[in-house]
Amino acid sequence: NAGVTQTPKFQVLKTGQSMTLQCAQDMNHNSMYWYRQDPGMGLRLIYYSASEGTTDKGEVPNGYNVSRLNKREFSLRLESAAPSQTSVYFCASNPGQGAGTQYFGPGTRLLVL
Amino acid sequence: SQQGEEDPQALSIQEGENATMNCSYKTSINNLQWYRQNSGRGLVHLILIRSNEREKHSGRLRVTLDTSKKSSSLLITASRAADTASYFCATLRMDSSYKLIFGSGTRLLVRP
Repeated sequence: NAGVTQTPKFQVLKTGQSMTLQCAQDMNHNSMYWYRQDPGMGLRLIYYSASEGTTDKGEVPNGYNVSRLNKREFSLRLESAAPSQTSVYFCASNPGQGAGTQYFGPGTRLLVL
Repeated sequence: SQQGEEDPQALSIQEGENATMNCSYKTSINNLQWYRQNSGRGLVHLILIRSNEREKHSGRLRVTLDTSKKSSSLLITASRAADTASYFCATLRMDSSYKLIFGSGTRLLVRP
């Protein structure tokens, strides 16, 4: 099992450009999450999906949209990137509805100029 | 705002010593989890303790939870250089949102 995979690993954008971060898990997990981590800080939840077909806002959803394409895949879209969105983005999944352990991907480093 | 706050922010110890990290939180929780992050990598789950548990062990890790003080501690015994990493506590609140709230982490350096 590959676990949780994320693409791309690294991306540079110019202000105003758009992009989609991809996440996939092969563990048949129900819940999936998108976090951002800024230097010296913990993770902040952007959006999550408790099950296929549902998505909900987290702590910092502004400027982002998500799609739970199917049970395996959960994508994060930046419609018009801003320098404040420079961060490391992590995707995670959880077997149930979210009460237990989360399994993290390796992260995507995004730089917005 | 973040729910959990770790203390200290940074800790430097000699190999073989014990490392203790503390986490405080604000609201009632379902469970509290500790994660480890090596530099430039994703987070790895270490241990989960439920709100009705007081202590839990896993190998060289010992976690305690005091719900009356809204605090938890992570003890790593007989530390190794490979334990060098950032450690985060994360709390699952007692509501139906199933959202983990992470603290800002403790950076642990274990000197050989």
